[in-house]
Amino acid sequence: EPEVTQTPSHQVTQMGQEVILRCVPISNHLYFYWYRQILGQKVEFLVSFYNNEISEKSEIFDDQFSVERPDGSNFTLKIRSTKLEDSAMYFCASSEQTGGFREQFFGPGTRLTVL
Amino acid sequence: GQNIDQPTEMTATEGAIVQINCTYQTSGFNGLFWYQQHAGEAPTFLSYNVLDGLEEKGRFSSFLSRSKGYSYLLLKELQMKDSASYLCAPVWDYKLSFGAGTTVTVRA
Repeated sequence: EPEVTQTPSHQVTQMGQEVILRCVPISNHLYFYWYRQILGQKVEFLVSFYNNEISEKSEIFDDQFSVERPDGSNFTLKIRSTKLEDSAMYFCASSEQTGGFREQFFGPGTRLTVL
Repeated sequence: GQNIDQPTEMTATEGAIVQINCTYQTSGFNGLFWYQQHAGEAPTFLSYNVLDGLEEKGRFSSFLSRSKGYSYLLLKELQMKDSASYLCAPVWDYKLSFGAGTTVTVRA
């Protein structure tokens, strides 16, 4: 069964450093998403991506964040200068169509720890 | 912000039935997902309702009333492995939002 994969599973970084979180969505999916979940809190939407551009983003997704689909398979989330409060689990998801009509399949997540 | 209200915790015994209620605002509503999330893991899809009524899938069923802004997830014949957080996730203006989740604890 196809699945979303994410690397690394755990990333530890120093405050102020740049990190890139990687995702490989399901191959025939067209819509890609990033969510984050701070420990003990709810899953929060960050950004959606379709046709090589951002379609929606939340207030959390400020200028420190960027997304890219550098090739036909990878989908990345970059945090330019990490802050302590960026420590969270980051989930990538993909769907065949926009989230209003099709389920989103989630990857296993990357746990980001900012020291 | 858009409010999603669901109970924080529920406890039930193995073999029992539990119903998790969720209310949400109706403006801009497109449909509603329920996801299951075990601690430290990703959410996994359980159900999707877009029309009023009951959707049944094995031991899990989900109900939606669009006019009332109300949904519930029904878990039948509870098993220990059902201990998890259950996330009510309405879609507004084609964006998915998650509730804080209901932690269900199944006891033997």
